[in-house]
Amino acid sequence: AQKITQTQPGMFVQEKEAVTLDCTYDTSDQSYGLFWYKQPSSGEMIFLIYQGSYDEQNATEGRYSLNFQKARKSANLVISASQLGDSAMYFCAMREETPGYSTLTFGKGTMLLVSP
Amino acid sequence: NAGVTQTPKFRILKIGQSMTLQCTQDMNHNYMYWYRQDPGMGLKLIYYSVGAGITDKGEVPNGYNVSRSTTEDFPLRLELAAPSQTSVYFCASSPVKARARNQPQHFGDGTRLSIL
Repeated sequence: AQKITQTQPGMFVQEKEAVTLDCTYDTSDQSYGLFWYKQPSSGEMIFLIYQGSYDEQNATEGRYSLNFQKARKSANLVISASQLGDSAMYFCAMREETPGYSTLTFGKGTMLLVSP
Repeated sequence: NAGVTQTPKFRILKIGQSMTLQCTQDMNHNYMYWYRQDPGMGLKLIYYSVGAGITDKGEVPNGYNVSRSTTEDFPLRLELAAPSQTSVYFCASSPVKARARNQPQHFGDGTRLSIL
């Protein structure tokens, strides 16, 4: 089974609207972290937001928020007031807190296109 | 404020040639990683290192070798290049896990490698 599943290959949204990018994960660890990265067409990986498994509140960073539903094992990224510059590939990733190492497992990504 | 620096940015190799992808970071991070990203896919972990002198295999290590003689440098070696190794390669680093649970991995800008 995949550890990180992003079911939306592509999403379209109009400028200034909100959009939700889905991410579900699979782990038996009690302690883990969830990350979202943005990859624009230029190719670099840009960190957006982090949610720890023990964090009681949903993470927020500016226009980005993470809708964390632990029981459903989902960590959806919400982008409010979309901008043209938000057009990019978005990756959800999980870091399992297995002692001794700290590696990330990535989903396949969702391509977001923001139209004027 | 360099962060993670990868060289070269682009390279074309012939089948059977060898090369080393360079990665250096100036943030004094203990953890370093090598990923590959195939078209339309997420990142897959090739090798990682938790400190100088310590390396371990990730999900897709075959055909690659690494070394970590210093904290700063983590080169990736391809010994006998094959067309299946055509990909974009990312190096990343992160602080020691225990002291920085919410610290993301910092990525270089990537090396685009084509094997013909």
